Amino acid sequence: ETGVTQSPTHLIKTRGQQVTLRCSSQSGHNTVSWYQQALGQGPQFIFQYYREEENGRGNFPPRFSGLQFPNYSSELNVNALELDDSALYLCASSPGGTGVYGYTFGSGTRLTVV
Amino acid sequence: KQEVTQIPAALSVPEGENLVLNCSFTDSAIYNLQWFRQDPGKGLTSLLLIQSSQREQTSGRLNASLDKSSGRSTLYIAASQPGDSATYLCAVRVVDNNNDMRFGAGTRLTVKP
Repeated sequence: ETGVTQSPTHLIKTRGQQVTLRCSSQSGHNTVSWYQQALGQGPQFIFQYYREEENGRGNFPPRFSGLQFPNYSSELNVNALELDDSALYLCASSPGGTGVYGYTFGSGTRLTVV
Repeated sequence: KQEVTQIPAALSVPEGENLVLNCSFTDSAIYNLQWFRQDPGKGLTSLLLIQSSQREQTSGRLNASLDKSSGRSTLYIAASQPGDSATYLCAVRVVDNNNDMRFGAGTRLTVKP
């Protein structure tokens, strides 16, 4: 059973640019969530996708958007990058969209905006 | 709004000590609570998942308890080792329509040889 994989592991972008981060969910998981973790803080919920539909969103502006594909892999897109977007972006998958399931996290993508 | 707090923010202990990490949350309407470990610059590794109907879970040297009515969970680590040095995060799965998990800021643990 493969775990959650994220790519790339590190990324440097310039303010104003756009970025796409990718995530492959664990085998058998149909739900993917994205989190942003600033240095020294706990992860903050960005949004969740369940069977290709967004079914939850945190307090992030619309320039943070996502997709989930039929194989349950997912992308996080961030437009008009700002310096404060520099963070570790974590993807997590679970076997179901709600309720009692725990999450499996990937190793993250470290995004630096300069 | 659900708030999750972890105390202490940092902890340093000698090898072999038993220790307790604390997590508190403000709203008892949760599906479950999950403890994670995070090594510097890395992703999260799930340690224990406690459903809201459960009181505790155990895995090896780790034991996590949950008291939903008082909004508290503890992670007990027995016979600590230098390899246990990491940041420990707790997160609650909130009962709402938004399907999010709320995290504490973590406890940074250092186990000295």
